[in-house]
Amino acid sequence: GNSVTQMEGPVTLSEEAFLTINCTYTATGYPSLFWYVQYPGEGLQLLLKATKADDKGSNKGFEATYRKETTSFHLEKGSVQVSDSAVYFCALIRAGGTSYGKLTFGQGTILTVHP
Amino acid sequence: SQTIHQWPATLVQPVGSPLSLECTVEGTSNPNLYWYRQAAGRGLQLLFYSVGIGQISSEVPQNLSASRPQDRQFILSSKKLLLSDSGFYLCAWSVLSAAPVQYFGPGTRLTVT
Repeated sequence: GNSVTQMEGPVTLSEEAFLTINCTYTATGYPSLFWYVQYPGEGLQLLLKATKADDKGSNKGFEATYRKETTSFHLEKGSVQVSDSAVYFCALIRAGGTSYGKLTFGQGTILTVHP
Repeated sequence: SQTIHQWPATLVQPVGSPLSLECTVEGTSNPNLYWYRQAAGRGLQLLFYSVGIGQISSEVPQNLSASRPQDRQFILSSKKLLLSDSGFYLCAWSVLSAAPVQYFGPGTRLTVT
């Protein structure tokens, strides 16, 4: 079956530090990949997505590249801010079939950024 | 534009009491609808999804149930709550496409005492 594995947190950084949150996946076919972010007490928001190999998703300074050869979709940001403190979820949807768009989530990585 | 509402925002219920959480979507037709639960310190668990009125698929056996009485309304229910039902319940919607994005509601924080 499909699965997503994220690096264990929590991750604690100082403001303006470089961020990497690792994400690897297992899936048949060619899934679409997503990063969602959850701010404290809120629902999830789509951060970025990539639908095919070598695609780069980007938003709000965050980037992730769909690497089929390493089955990875690592999240990066060059300079984090305190406002980036949140839980980050990597997720996939299996392409086609009868998945009805069901997301498979990783376990989430807590990011805390200090001033 | 599309919006998704959930209520109530927070709920404290005693063990054995019934539950009804509601989710409504505006600005789209025939969406796929989803209920997730997020236990403290854990990831998201898909509970139910629906591709149309009256159509419900359950992902995890439990004492919860879901219903979709209208196209854009999704209800999560229980006849008797357990302590283990505590958590953060999220509703989401999507439209079927090659790479469907799910859009999440603000969530309901349920505490069973």
